[in-house]
Amino acid sequence: GQNIDQPTEMTATEGAIVQINCTYQTSGFNGLFWYQQHAGEAPTFLSYNVLDGLEEKGRFSSFLSRSKGYSYLLLKELQMKDSASYLCAVILNDYKLSFGAGTTVTVRA
Amino acid sequence: KAGVTQTPRYLIKTRGQQVTLSCSPISGHRSVSWYQQTPGQGLQFLFEYFSETQRNKGNFPGRFSGRQFSNSRSEMNVSTLELGDSALYLCASRGGDGNQPQHFGDGTRLSIL
Repeated sequence: GQNIDQPTEMTATEGAIVQINCTYQTSGFNGLFWYQQHAGEAPTFLSYNVLDGLEEKGRFSSFLSRSKGYSYLLLKELQMKDSASYLCAVILNDYKLSFGAGTTVTVRA
Repeated sequence: KAGVTQTPRYLIKTRGQQVTLSCSPISGHRSVSWYQQTPGQGLQFLFEYFSETQRNKGNFPGRFSGRQFSNSRSEMNVSTLELGDSALYLCASRGGDGNQPQHFGDGTRLSIL
């Protein structure tokens, strides 16, 4: 089976930085996505990594190490609107997406 | 460009009934995937359709089925509903193939009484 682990909850202060880790053990790997999901809304695409290294997109960055089965999503200059669930998802060999359970980030003033 | 549209947004059914959910993908997208989301289990993959063919299937019982039409619209059917089927059902479409990101609809919230 697929095993994708991420912390359940994280809390941080407005303006701070938070790093959400994701470790995976899957049968096959064709890349990793990060999605953001606000309560009651659809998940929205944040980032995609397939090669080792850091991908930066404004305040959000995502890192991947294939040899370690590890990724993280870095949120900088946190804003209240960043309070949401963040989902790590691995693309398997048959292009199915397998999701982690999600990390709920709460940003406090 | 319109996003992924799911109907209905909310649905209440009773045990033993059956239900059909609808999903219209982003124009030009041929791949449609369905997911079940519950607080305890997170996002669970149901199945994926591509060009009217089921290409991938998750680990759900046969009560869960789907189909895709020639215009890429997809329907999901659940028969003999159980209390545990109460969940948010999300549909996602993607363009091209391989590692394109999936774009999600707002989901159908299904409640079983």
